[in-house]
Amino acid sequence: GEDVEQSLFLSVREGDSSVINCTYTDSSSTYLYWYKQEPGAGLQLLTYIFSNMDMKQDQRLTVLLNKKDKHLSLRIADTQTGDSAIYFCAETPSGGSYIPTFGRGTSLIVHP
Amino acid sequence: DSGVTQTPKHLITATGQRVTLRCSPRSGDLSVYWYQQSLDQGLQFLIQYYNGEERAKGNILERFSAQQFPDLHSELNLSSLELGDSALYFCASSPAGTGDYDTEAFFGQGTRLTVV
Repeated sequence: GEDVEQSLFLSVREGDSSVINCTYTDSSSTYLYWYKQEPGAGLQLLTYIFSNMDMKQDQRLTVLLNKKDKHLSLRIADTQTGDSAIYFCAETPSGGSYIPTFGRGTSLIVHP
Repeated sequence: DSGVTQTPKHLITATGQRVTLRCSPRSGDLSVYWYQQSLDQGLQFLIQYYNGEERAKGNILERFSAQQFPDLHSELNLSSLELGDSALYFCASSPAGTGDYDTEAFFGQGTRLTVV
């Protein structure tokens, strides 16, 4: 199976909250990331969380990490049409090698 | 703008041909990573270079090769191209290599390769 798994699609109404979920298999993951990819663009880091943290909040973004279940989520409050993009979960293992392993990405569609 | 430049943005070529994709990392970044993004495989790590030397290899085919030059730009060479090689190829850079934790890799906008 894949090392990082995400659901492929999420559709929400503008103004609602979006929650994008991710599971990973590597229990030694050190950093976990959320990247955003807008159409025709590269990946842009949104936020990251260190593995000894449970939660991180950054304006409209809230990251929750359940290390026991190896579950990471990204909550976007007051979702806007400009948030429509593909969101990638990624993790880097311990051991000194920064090579993030990415999930397949979740396409977030925000409709009026 | 991430500071990572990839050229060309689009490339259309025939099966069996060879192409070279180019990446200029952010100023000062020593590490360059190549990723392939396709619909069926998602984002796959291909190879990493650090300060001119190969540092790590991922799912890179033998038909593919890369190098990093003294000025730190990198090239990804794809040969004997097949239809299945059609994908978006991303380059990313970060300041450090193994042993140091970077909290972010900066991605270029990618080169869309279409093999016909």
